[in-house]
Amino acid sequence: KAGVTQTPRYLIKTRGQQVTLSCSPISGHRSVSWYQQTPGQGLQFLFEYFSETQRNKGNFPGRFSGRQFSNSRSEMNVSTLELGDSALYLCASSRELAGGEDTQYFGPGTRLTVL
Amino acid sequence: DAKTTQPTSMDCAEGRAANLPCNHSTISGNEYVYWYRQIHSQGPQYIIHGLKNNETNEMASLIITEDRKSSTLILPHATLRDTAVYYCIVRASGTYKYIFGTGTRLKVLA
Repeated sequence: KAGVTQTPRYLIKTRGQQVTLSCSPISGHRSVSWYQQTPGQGLQFLFEYFSETQRNKGNFPGRFSGRQFSNSRSEMNVSTLELGDSALYLCASSRELAGGEDTQYFGPGTRLTVL
Repeated sequence: DAKTTQPTSMDCAEGRAANLPCNHSTISGNEYVYWYRQIHSQGPQYIIHGLKNNETNEMASLIITEDRKSSTLILPHATLRDTAVYYCIVRASGTYKYIFGTGTRLKVLA
């Protein structure tokens, strides 16, 4: 079974631009979560989507947004990029098992560099 | 969500067992303990999880104390490829928000 895929793997943008990152979950997984990883802050939760609805949100500014499509694929968008947005962006998917015992599986990440 | 505390770093000799502790003293009854590892900026890799009982899979064993306030991940025969940052996370059932701590940087020495 194919794992979580993320595209692109690497991206270079300049300040003020916007960027869209894509995530395809494992087949059959309906929940998709996004995380940001930086050397200073570590791994931080951005948001989580299920059935095209955002269920959970982390403590990030409104410049960070996301969406989920009917096939469970998800995108996240960052507008008006700042230097501090340089990070590894990770997507994780899970099946949403009844009873709550579920596991998130992570993709390889997208490395975003803002110049 | 409960917070976890892990040692910053540990060394282990190749071929020996690596025992990685995690403290989660504020864990609630419905919170699972999950372990992941991250090898040099790759995506975190799932290792194992448990609720109350000890668990074992092909990668590792998870020992959870009876009061559930701490756990230990055991890699029975560490290899150089097990060098990574290991994260212990507690997660309430029905939520999909992992709160990552700083993890333990395990270095396996030849």
